[in-house]
Amino acid sequence: QQPVQSPQAVILREGEDAVINCSSSKALYSVHWYRQKHGEAPVFLMILLKGGEQKGHEKISASFNEKKQQSSLYLTASQLSYSGTYFCGTVRTGANNLFFGTGTRLTVIP
Amino acid sequence: GAVVSQHPSWVICKSGTSVKIECRSLDFQATTMFWYRQFPKQSLMLMATSNEGSKATYEQGVEKDKFLINHASLTLSTLTVTSAHPEDSSFYICSANRGGSGRGNEQFFGPGTRLTVL
Repeated sequence: QQPVQSPQAVILREGEDAVINCSSSKALYSVHWYRQKHGEAPVFLMILLKGGEQKGHEKISASFNEKKQQSSLYLTASQLSYSGTYFCGTVRTGANNLFFGTGTRLTVIP
Repeated sequence: GAVVSQHPSWVICKSGTSVKIECRSLDFQATTMFWYRQFPKQSLMLMATSNEGSKATYEQGVEKDKFLINHASLTLSTLTVTSAHPEDSSFYICSANRGGSGRGNEQFFGPGTRLTVL
């Protein structure tokens, strides 16, 4: 029941945009997005709840389509600090445990 | 607020020994704590869900007799890797759910513990 992310890896030049997708085969209550730097714990970015909401913080935003059981993370005008591995985490309806997606390795180069 | 700590941050042990990892919620009471394992270049895999005062719920494929979880209080959960072997070497991360936050089960992660079994 691990969510599938795409792409697996992406390389961007500073200032370019990227979209990371997360797809689940199960009905979802919420989707969480995290960024993890090498050797560190994941850092929380945002959470989206059932209801098809969109959220954003500065240049990072996300959407959640509960009917399609999909979420997308949008990174605009990428910065070098955006480099890392991005994971979506999904919580199924009626549950409280989080299952992490397969991960997307993002590299931003000057 | 919502800080989770783990101890130790890294440990090296000999094969056959047991290792205990602590996970503490420092400024909130955690109704539920979770234990994850992450192998190099892989995703975090949920091992078990731990509720204070009750037995942990283990995910399929995780040996409960090998990975002992104790959630003695609302701020502390421990994971003991018994009779550790080199294949148990991994990055172990805990998280805590504050509950009732209205944030859709937001989880707060500890910094992780890197276990190396020789």
